[in-house]
Amino acid sequence: RKEVEQDPGPFNVPEGATVAFNCTYSNSASQSFFWYRQDCRKEPKLLMSVYSSGNEDGRFTAQLNRASQYISLLIRDSKLSDSATYLCVVTHSSASKIIFGSGTRLSIRP
Amino acid sequence: DAGVIQSPRHEVTEMGQEVTLRCKPISGHNSLFWYRQTMMRGLELLIYFNNNVPIDDSGMPEDRFSAKMPNASFSTLKIQPSEPRDSAVYFCASSPGTNRELFFGEGSRLTVL
Repeated sequence: RKEVEQDPGPFNVPEGATVAFNCTYSNSASQSFFWYRQDCRKEPKLLMSVYSSGNEDGRFTAQLNRASQYISLLIRDSKLSDSATYLCVVTHSSASKIIFGSGTRLSIRP
Repeated sequence: DAGVIQSPRHEVTEMGQEVTLRCKPISGHNSLFWYRQTMMRGLELLIYFNNNVPIDDSGMPEDRFSAKMPNASFSTLKIQPSEPRDSAVYFCASSPGTNRELFFGEGSRLTVL
């Protein structure tokens, strides 16, 4: 079993729709959580950190559920420019290790 | 401000040749990471350094791969001899500290024929 698992998608949704995807992690000692975005043939870039209380940044909302060991990303009023691969990232402070999920591909259609 | 700088951006080489990828992290960042990305396996952590010291190289595929960080502003990833299955995009990333954001370079796209 992979340490960090994501639904690879692709999610194909119309512009303006709300879309959500989850990421599960297996190590209960995981400490920090992030969502990164990667455009085609580009490098990953930080989208947002995920805090225990949940956090929002404009149209994006991230949540953490430690009991069930998953994090989620919700995108409201999706734009064409949101089309990308979204990578879930988990870190373990004990090993200072940063683990990336394999990514969820999102495609927004006009 | 300059971000993470990687070179070369693209490299095409023949099986058996030595490949050296280079990375200059963001000044002041004390952690440096080498990742490899393929369609099949996604982003894999190869090795990471903290304060120029290799902390975890368990992701390095085999003895053909080696990485060095002789100083805080430079790192290399070497593959010798290269094989076609090494074809991938190799990313270098740096971070200002533990559990902090990673800043990626634009990657080095390697093709081994």
